[in-house]
Amino acid sequence: KNQVEQSPQSLIILEGKNCTLQCNYTVSPFSNLRWYKQDTGRGPVSLTIMTFSENTKSNGRYTATLDADTKQSSLHITASQLSDSASYICVVRTFYGNNRLAFGKGNQVVVIP
Amino acid sequence: NAGVTQTPKFRILKIGQSMTLQCTQDMNHNYMYWYRQDPGMGLKLIYYSVGAGITDKGEVPNGYNVSRSTTEDFPLRLELAAPSQTSVYFCASSYQGEDIGELFFGEGSRLTVL
Repeated sequence: KNQVEQSPQSLIILEGKNCTLQCNYTVSPFSNLRWYKQDTGRGPVSLTIMTFSENTKSNGRYTATLDADTKQSSLHITASQLSDSASYICVVRTFYGNNRLAFGKGNQVVVIP
Repeated sequence: NAGVTQTPKFRILKIGQSMTLQCTQDMNHNYMYWYRQDPGMGLKLIYYSVGAGITDKGEVPNGYNVSRSTTEDFPLRLELAAPSQTSVYFCASSYQGEDIGELFFGEGSRLTVL
């Protein structure tokens, strides 16, 4: 069972509209959570990192939230642009073991004009 | 800085053939990783290295080998290619280790085994 579940799997939004992507995790103990953006045919690029004590963090039009109690994170995209079309991957880190990162399958976002 | 560079970008192999995916980084990162990404699945860790001369298995190491003779290079070797190894492979590096530091990924190498 995947320790990181993302929803929706995919969505289509109109340019200029907002959208919110969800990430639920069961990883324990929790260390931090990163959101990566992966353009088609490219490698993932980090957007933001959330640590246990942080609730909200913004990076331009991207705003991430974290509720460590309910083990949920969201990524909100404001005023979407065509360049936001990508897969957004939630990655959660734990403290122990050789493989400490758990990757979600990604939210596939398509922005249409 | 070029960041993380992977070659080749595309390759088709026949069952049983062998090949090496090359990865080099110019950021002087100690930590390097190989992941595979299958359609609709999350990234899976194949092997990683915490420094020159040190490598360790990840989640899905079977059918692969790595070496780390220098800080810059971390090649991934596929022996006796099988259709199950058809995937997109990403090399990544980080400064502080994946547990704290941001991962910097290469562009990926798309491998098809027929």
